[in-house]
Amino acid sequence: AQKITQTQPGMFVQEKEAVTLDCTYDTSDQSYGLFWYKQPSSGEMIFLIYQGSYDEQNATEGRYSLNFQKARKSANLVISASQLGDSAMYFCAMRDLFKETSGSRLTFGEGTQLTVNP
Amino acid sequence: GAGVSQTPSNKVTEKGKYVELRCDPISGHTALYWYRQSLGQGPEFLIYFQGTGAADDSGLPNDRFFAVRPEGSVSTLKIQRTERGDSAVYLCASSLTAGRLDTQYFGPGTRLTVL
Repeated sequence: AQKITQTQPGMFVQEKEAVTLDCTYDTSDQSYGLFWYKQPSSGEMIFLIYQGSYDEQNATEGRYSLNFQKARKSANLVISASQLGDSAMYFCAMRDLFKETSGSRLTFGEGTQLTVNP
Repeated sequence: GAGVSQTPSNKVTEKGKYVELRCDPISGHTALYWYRQSLGQGPEFLIYFQGTGAADDSGLPNDRFFAVRPEGSVSTLKIQRTERGDSAVYLCASSLTAGRLDTQYFGPGTRLTVL
């Protein structure tokens, strides 16, 4: 079974500073994908970034980067130059990349509420 | 283009009643997913469709929950004899295919409240 752990229920950051949101995972799968989603107060889940377990380079998407440490089973999200609009709940998720059917589901952590202060 | 849409956005019902929640995926997406998000939790998988068929329904909590996707596009999640514990936000997502690298795009959710 897969498990995602996000140990920070809430995080605060000053506008324009960088922030790291922690995510650790547990899986027996050999090949898996790691995702980060943002959920503003409106409720919609917005895809941010993806990292494959086989990728040698850390993923980056604009101000988002994923600090992937496979041996430690961690996939932390780094947001650079925080903006007020980054205030939201952030979820780490994973999926298996091998299983035919259950591999399509995403397993989510409990989330981290990020607040960006002006 | 239009994203995933869900109706209604809010549904209040009484314990024991039947409810239907609708999801309209992104046009052309063949894979559709339902998740349930309880207050303060991350979403939990319920069921996944590839085309018209349910490829994985192992996340449905019990036989009161059922979902259909008769024409391979719109899906309806049906809950019979609702219980207070069913109160949650029900999220729908779609992806172009069920391929391993396909991103799941989520709708805004339906907030279900069972009184």
